[in-house]
Amino acid sequence: DVKVTQSSRYLVKRTGEKVFLECVQDMDHENMFWYRQDPGLGLRLIYFSYDVKMKEKGDIPEGYSVSREKKERFSLILESASTNQTSMYLCASSALEGSYEQYFGPGTRLTVT
Amino acid sequence: TQLLEQSPQFLSIQEGENLTVYCNSSSVFSSLQWYRQEPGEGPVLLVTVVTGGEVKKLKRLTFQFGDARKDSSLHITAAQPGDTGLYLCAGHSGGGADGLTFGKGTHLIIQP
Repeated sequence: DVKVTQSSRYLVKRTGEKVFLECVQDMDHENMFWYRQDPGLGLRLIYFSYDVKMKEKGDIPEGYSVSREKKERFSLILESASTNQTSMYLCASSALEGSYEQYFGPGTRLTVT
Repeated sequence: TQLLEQSPQFLSIQEGENLTVYCNSSSVFSSLQWYRQEPGEGPVLLVTVVTGGEVKKLKRLTFQFGDARKDSSLHITAAQPGDTGLYLCAGHSGGGADGLTFGKGTHLIIQP
């Protein structure tokens, strides 16, 4: 079974803090994704990566950066957290080709106060 | 921008009833996936449909891909409380890894 793990299930941070969210997958997938999920807005793609050290902006990259130093690990960084970044953050991975089925981690519920 | 419209947005029914939820678009997709997400968890892949007109069954769940590959439906027979969750459809346009478009989902509640 594909397994995607995220470093924290729940996180509370203060405005202005630097926040790291980490994601690890064990299926040797090339593609990895970070989404945020908010009520009424659905899943929105923040960044994705199709290879080590490669990154591409998604639909809402502002206020975020990412790092992919190893194939299995994809990190999302909030350089200076703001209250409007309070959300559910979901990491996913998929194989390079085929139907691009995505496998998700359990999510991190981030609250910025 | 490709859009996937899911309907209904919310559905609450009694245990044992049947239901159908829909996923519609004006765009053609090379494949379409259905996910179920429980509260506080990540989405879990249920099925992928690839061929126009394709029907796949997963126990009491029946998934159909439209002939033109622009729409899909999920039918649940004799719904159980364990079916409660957010059902998401996602279509792939055949582009690169970022070509997956998600609908906003149908919130389904099955009351005992």
